[in-house]
Amino acid sequence: DTAVSQTPKYLVTQMGNDKSIKCEQNLGHDTMYWYKQDSKKFLKIMFSYNNKELIINETVPNRFSPKSPDKAHLNLHINSLELGDSAVYFCASSRDSFKKGYTFGSGTRLTVV
Amino acid sequence: AQKITQTQPGMFVQEKEAVTLDCTYDTSDQSYGLFWYKQPSSGEMIFLIYQGSYDEQNATEGRYSLNFQKARKSANLVISASQLGDSAMYFCAMREGYNFNKFYFGSGTKLNVKP
Repeated sequence: DTAVSQTPKYLVTQMGNDKSIKCEQNLGHDTMYWYKQDSKKFLKIMFSYNNKELIINETVPNRFSPKSPDKAHLNLHINSLELGDSAVYFCASSRDSFKKGYTFGSGTRLTVV
Repeated sequence: AQKITQTQPGMFVQEKEAVTLDCTYDTSDQSYGLFWYKQPSSGEMIFLIYQGSYDEQNATEGRYSLNFQKARKSANLVISASQLGDSAMYFCAMREGYNFNKFYFGSGTKLNVKP
C-alpha cells in the first residue's frame, strides 16, 4: 500500500495549458504539503493544508491553486503553464509534531515545452 | 538567515569508507527536530534519521548516525562503510516546535561513492 501517492509521475505539456496533479495519503496524517524542486534540487514549500484548511501559502503565482476536498487528498491545479514551471513537484504529509518528519510522494516531473 | 545550511554541494568518498555530511541549523526554539533525507537519482525522498533537540544520545539507524552538537547547532550525518548505492543527494531538514507547520530544508549535498 502506497502511503503517499501522486499522479501522474511524468507530465509533459505545452505552454499555456492547464494541468492538475493529484495526491492522496492513507496514513491518517493531519497536514499535507506541496513542494517544488527546481533544477538545482532546491526544495521550496508552496502550500500546506491542515484538515482541509489552507495554512501555508508561500509566494507562488496565483496560476497555482491547491484544493483539498478532504484530509486525505490535496491536489494542485496549474493554469496557463509557463516554461519556468518545469520542475519536480512533491506532495508530502505529516503529523502535527516537530518530532515527525514528512512522508513524500514519488514526485511529479513536469516539463513545459 | 538560513535556517538550514549545508556547505558541501558535492562530495566524493571511496567505497567502504566513512563520510560525514555537514549540516548547521539556526533556531531560537528549544524544541525542534532534525532530519536527514536521501534522494537517489530515481527521485524519491527517503527518510533516513531523526534527532530531537532533547535527545541526549546521538541517533543511529544502521549505517547512519547523526553527530548532534547542540551548542554548535550542528547535525552532521555520518555514513559508515559507504556503498555504491549511497550515491545520492542528501538533505538536512528541521522542524520547529513553535511553528511545526514548516519544514526547512538545506540545499543538499551530492554524494558520489567511488568503487
